Amino acid sequence: AQSVTQLGSHVSVSEGALVLLRCNYSSSVPPYLFWYVQYPNQGLQLLLKYTSAATLVKGINGFEAEFKKSETSFHLTKPSAHMSDAAEYFCAVSGQRGAQKLVFGQGTRLTINP
Amino acid sequence: DTAVSQTPKYLVTQMGNDKSIKCEQNLGHDTMYWYKQDSKKFLKIMFSYNNKELIINETVPNRFSPKSPDKAHLNLHINSLELGDSAVYFCASSQSGRLNTEAFFGQGTRLTVV
Repeated sequence: AQSVTQLGSHVSVSEGALVLLRCNYSSSVPPYLFWYVQYPNQGLQLLLKYTSAATLVKGINGFEAEFKKSETSFHLTKPSAHMSDAAEYFCAVSGQRGAQKLVFGQGTRLTINP
Repeated sequence: DTAVSQTPKYLVTQMGNDKSIKCEQNLGHDTMYWYKQDSKKFLKIMFSYNNKELIINETVPNRFSPKSPDKAHLNLHINSLELGDSAVYFCASSQSGRLNTEAFFGQGTRLTVV
């Protein structure tokens, strides 16, 4: 069985500050990990994904994430927050053989303070 | 062009009614999904179809019946709607064969049962 835990349902940072959203996963098979962003009243958009080619993954809008197997983590970071980054962020894991099924974390709401 | 489109975007209906949500994707993908997002933003897979064949059914009540007339369409019919069915329903699609491929999501259908 696979699961994802996102630490902190709400994160608030100042504009220009570092963004760090935490994600820990549990998987009995090699995981494939994703970060999605959901803006208000919209669908989910892929930020980045871990595909085992590189442990440090760069995504859109200046976000990146590092896969750490020893810590079973895939934390999302951005060096400098922008007001437009305010949204809900979801970490997800897949890897179940024979079917593609994303298991999502509970989400982290990111608020940017001016 | 919208990659994954759902209709309607909003749906308000009374308890006991039957309603359908339609989904279409123009990405040429062979796998489509329905996810449910509850009031706490938690996302969970409901169904997955690959080449019109049901491959995932996550213990969803029988009142929910997906139908896939072709690879590009996956509709969701709900009978005898209950208050607890109120949620946002997301359609998604992906290409099978690679577990690390991402899913593309529609804008969601906000269902409110009164």
